Amino acid sequence: AAGVIQSPRHLIKEKRETATLKCYPIPRHDTVYWYQQGPGQDPQFLISFYEKMQSDKGSIPDRFSAQQFSDYHSELNMSSLELGDSALYFCASRGRPDQPQHFGDGTRLSIL
Amino acid sequence: AQKITQTQPGMFVQEKEAVTLDCTYDTSDQSYGLFWYKQPSSGEMIFLIYQGSYDEQNATEGRYSLNFQKARKSANLVISASQLGDSAMYFCAMREGLTGGTSYGKLTFGQGTILTVHP
Repeated sequence: AAGVIQSPRHLIKEKRETATLKCYPIPRHDTVYWYQQGPGQDPQFLISFYEKMQSDKGSIPDRFSAQQFSDYHSELNMSSLELGDSALYFCASRGRPDQPQHFGDGTRLSIL
Repeated sequence: AQKITQTQPGMFVQEKEAVTLDCTYDTSDQSYGLFWYKQPSSGEMIFLIYQGSYDEQNATEGRYSLNFQKARKSANLVISASQLGDSAMYFCAMREGLTGGTSYGKLTFGQGTILTVHP
């Protein structure tokens, strides 16, 4: 079965640079979530989209923005990167509201 | 206040034995969902099992079962016949606001429990 696809799998950036993470949800899933997992921590919700509109917002820094496109894929744009942004970034998608979220393999972002 | 609490930072189990991972939650919603995910050292987040707040039967998926005690607000994961490949971090998570329609649904995670299966 098709899963959530995230790219790139690994990304190395320097401070103050920008990064774009991409997420392709499971086909026919209309809701996408982004989470950030710091080293040794649990995932923290950043932002979500339903039918291409932002549906909820969590602890996402103002330096970050995201959107969902007409084909339902989503991108997380990160600017002025800081050392503390080093983390594993997950995208998850969901179909019906009572169905579980399925996660991609994550993008590991390292800031040097 | 912590919404999801996993009190066991680490657990050890012998291969082929059963193990229970604890999870308690806090919510004022009537409609919510509880999930368990497995995160191996490679980092991916693997969905294991789901329990809806209105489900009367405890959820089961193969060797995984969820011991749901609504009055106690607990949703413990039971893994039967442990295998070496079960060694991983396990997260309990909650989704609130199901009655709010599709605009809701973010997950709140517990701190996780590292399970080590010994041969």
